[in-house]
Amino acid sequence: EVVMTQSPATLSVSPGEGATLSCRASQSISINLAWYQQKPGQTPRLLIYDASTRATGIPARFSGRGSGTEFILTISSLQSEDFAVYYCQQYNRWPPLTFGGGTKVEIK
Amino acid sequence: EVQLLESGGGLVQPGGSLRLSCRASGFTFTNHAMTWVRQAPGKGLEWVAGISFNGGSTAHADSVKGRLTISRDNSKNTLYLQMNRLRAEDTAIYFCAQAPRKYYDESGYHPYWGQGTLVTVSS
Repeated sequence: EVVMTQSPATLSVSPGEGATLSCRASQSISINLAWYQQKPGQTPRLLIYDASTRATGIPARFSGRGSGTEFILTISSLQSEDFAVYYCQQYNRWPPLTFGGGTKVEIK
Repeated sequence: EVQLLESGGGLVQPGGSLRLSCRASGFTFTNHAMTWVRQAPGKGLEWVAGISFNGGSTAHADSVKGRLTISRDNSKNTLYLQMNRLRAEDTAIYFCAQAPRKYYDESGYHPYWGQGTLVTVSS
């Protein structure tokens, strides 16, 4: 099973600043990685797939990069609606699909 | 518009059973693999089970294997999760989610999710 590890667990950021979230896979997953955003009481929202492709309707301030075992989600100039929990998920080796534990981006 | 509507959740005693349903609309159901993902209260996302477009390939998380079973009825555009021998640790919101293609191979991400249905296992 591919284990996904996200860091940090919590990130405190001021509105307008940028944020960098990390996701590490326990073995190479090529670029088969997605990022999701989840706000309290809401369903997860796909942001990025194939490590760097933005999903439909996702603003350009969200960008992803990486391959193999190291991945980064960058949010430039955080808006109020961006404060949420972010999960990575690998789909290189199924089953199982595996999620990271999440990074909470909170207002500083 | 893609819609996924889960139902069937509720309160059940340990050892009991439930069947969750996910009614799909707004897309060609038979073109997509489908997934169940759960989220325990205050916790992260956990993949539960997945099924290919025609039901020919299924897989379940080790934590639910032998107790929870995924299936689909393409004639009804509906995904199911049969839940038997439920445990307290199965308490969670259960989401159904659409994968972009017929199989998961290198396309196991999820553009669309239902709102979820809450399963509470407690005496």
